[in-house]
Amino acid sequence: QITLKESGPPLVKPTQTLTLTCTFSGFSLSTSGVAVGWIRQPPGKALEWLASIYWDDDTRYIPSLKSRLTITKDTSKNQVVLTITNMDPADTATYFCAHQRFSSGYYFDFWGQGTPVTVSS
Amino acid sequence: DIQMTQSPSSLSASVGDRVTITCRASRDINTFLIWYQQKPGRAPKLLIYAASSLHGGAPSRFSGSGSGTDFTLTISSLQPEDFATYYCQQSSSTPITFGQGTRLEIK
Repeated sequence: QITLKESGPPLVKPTQTLTLTCTFSGFSLSTSGVAVGWIRQPPGKALEWLASIYWDDDTRYIPSLKSRLTITKDTSKNQVVLTITNMDPADTATYFCAHQRFSSGYYFDFWGQGTPVTVSS
Repeated sequence: DIQMTQSPSSLSASVGDRVTITCRASRDINTFLIWYQQKPGRAPKLLIYAASSLHGGAPSRFSGSGSGTDFTLTISSLQPEDFATYYCQQSSSTPITFGQGTRLEIK
C-alpha cells in the first residue's frame, strides 16, 4: 500500500526559504521507473507541477521556477525534500507530493493529502 | 512548454447523463495524456492514464480516448459522487503541464 504525506510550515514570510518534506511508504525510490513529484495548487486555481526526482537521481524542474527550486531524496529515510527560496505571496498554495509510475509516460497514481502554505508578513 | 486547454471550463449535468470533457494539447503528445478527478479540499485522484487506460481504482463508467492533440474523457452515466473538477495532464515532455480544469456541477 503506497502512502505519502507532506509536512512543512503553514506560514512563511516573504523572502524566506520554504522546506517541504514528503515522507512515503510502500515503495522504494531506487526502483526502476519510479519517481516522486511535487505539485501545487493556489486557492481556487489549477494544478501546477513543480519538480520531480527519479529513481536514477535525475531531477526535472518547471523552467519558470527552476532557479528557486531544489528537490532531493533520502532513499534510506523514504523522504523527498523540496526547497523553494525567496518565497512570495504568489507562492501561497496547497503543496502535494505524489508517486509517479512509468507506463506509457509518467503519471501520478498516488497523492499525499497536501499541505497548505501561506506566504505573508 | 506544451499548453493543455480543456473545454468546457464548467458544465452542469444531471445524474444519469452522459458527459464528455475535451482536452487539447498545443502539439502532438501521442497518447501521453492523463485524467484526474478532484473534489474540494482533497487531493486529485487518477482516473485514466495513457489516454485510455482505466486506473485500477476508477469506476468503469469513466473512459478516455484520443491521440495526438485531441482527447476526451467520457462519463457514461453520471453518479452523485462524480460531481467534481476534472484535470487533464500531459506527460510527453517536461515541464509536465495540466489543463485549467473542468468543473462538473449538478443541474
